[in-house]
Amino acid sequence: DAKTTQPNSMESNEEEPVHLPCNHSTISGTDYIHWYRQLPSQGPEYVIHGLTSNVNNRMASLAIAEDRKSSTLILHRATLRDAAVYYCILKRAAGNKLTFGGGTRVLVKP
Amino acid sequence: EAGVTQFPSHSVIEKGQTVTLRCDPISGHDNLYWYRRVMGKEIKFLLHFVKESKQDESGMPNNRFLAERTGGTYSTLKVQPAELEDSGVYFCASSSLAGDHQYEQYFGPGTRLTVT
Repeated sequence: DAKTTQPNSMESNEEEPVHLPCNHSTISGTDYIHWYRQLPSQGPEYVIHGLTSNVNNRMASLAIAEDRKSSTLILHRATLRDAAVYYCILKRAAGNKLTFGGGTRVLVKP
Repeated sequence: EAGVTQFPSHSVIEKGQTVTLRCDPISGHDNLYWYRRVMGKEIKFLLHFVKESKQDESGMPNNRFLAERTGGTYSTLKVQPAELEDSGVYFCASSSLAGDHQYEQYFGPGTRLTVT
């Protein structure tokens, strides 16, 4: 599986947007970009995924660079509940395993 | 709709003993996955079932680990005999084979295993 690179941690103020970058320069044409997050003492939780076009859902937005070598997860208004470790993962097909890296730990300050 | 459930939530056993972890996936989900996070490390894939068949068991660390999914419903993961390095959190996840949400894996809360 192609590797992703994320910052170790980020801080944000409550109700402000959070932009989480992810580099994946070795991405292949069939790799989907997935984002999961893990809240304290819980299992990972699906956030969003995309292939080429930007994607929006109720939780977040995913902006994918035109060359697909990087992407950004956008939390539009961070809440204290969004404090978690966010993982950017490349995956070939729907049924394949997830390969977790270190992720980005997001701290939300009130 | 009930989510993925795992039992027990926490298990403490001595080195050399046997432990069996159970996972009940979301009803109707044919894909079932096991992952684990050992102390200080990243979450690692263990294996993947499609219904009752093992699709990918490339992440199983050694033959002390045995996973089963009889009937294609719940799954068990047995560790026999347990070693100290098996301590960690074991996660189960499930997903559907088709449909709008086939790309999403739904995780359980995990079983924390402590081997002393």
